[in-house]
Amino acid sequence: LAKTTQPISMDSYEGQEVNITCSHNNIATNDYITWYQQFPSQGPRFIIQGYKTKVTNEVASLFIPADRKSSTLSLPRVSLSDTAVYYCLVGDTAGGGNKLTFGTGTQLKVEL
Amino acid sequence: NAGVTQTPKFQVLKTGQSMTLQCAQDMNHNSMYWYRQDPGMGLRLIYYSASEGTTDKGEVPNGYNVSRLNKREFSLRLESAAPSQTSVYFCASSMGASSGNTIYFGEGSWLTVV
Repeated sequence: LAKTTQPISMDSYEGQEVNITCSHNNIATNDYITWYQQFPSQGPRFIIQGYKTKVTNEVASLFIPADRKSSTLSLPRVSLSDTAVYYCLVGDTAGGGNKLTFGTGTQLKVEL
Repeated sequence: NAGVTQTPKFQVLKTGQSMTLQCAQDMNHNSMYWYRQDPGMGLRLIYYSASEGTTDKGEVPNGYNVSRLNKREFSLRLESAAPSQTSVYFCASSMGASSGNTIYFGEGSWLTVV
């Protein structure tokens, strides 16, 4: 089972770039790496997904080294509205199952 | 397009009562999930259904049962509610592992057991 490890919390200021790293040493060959954002009283929502190297969309970038044992979510120029919990998720596709378990997540707090 | 719909949104139960949380998705997804989230904590997987006709235990299945009624619907039943089951319950769905397993969540069901 591909478990993930993230920092419990991070603090930043508006306008800064924030990088959140996730460790997933037991990632399987077929597993994708997906990041989610969760605001209080809401369900998590998809931010970005990747398999290797770098992926970029309109809100974030995802960097994945060649060994895929970690990944880094990069949020450029954060604002107060980016204050949320961020989860890294690695699929457990061993045996064809979809037992997707979340780690503790990273509470990002953005201040003025 | 509604996505993942959960009912009810709020429920108060007495200890020992039973209830069923309903979930439906309209994205033609193969896999569905039930998670619980206690205050200030992360998401824990209760049960999941990789495809229609199959269900499997997650991290915290005790005290719960599930039914994958058809491809669209996945219900969670508490047979005898306990205060420890006070939590927010999220239903989710995904196309499946072959599509990267991106999960889409419902808005949550707030359950209080007194």
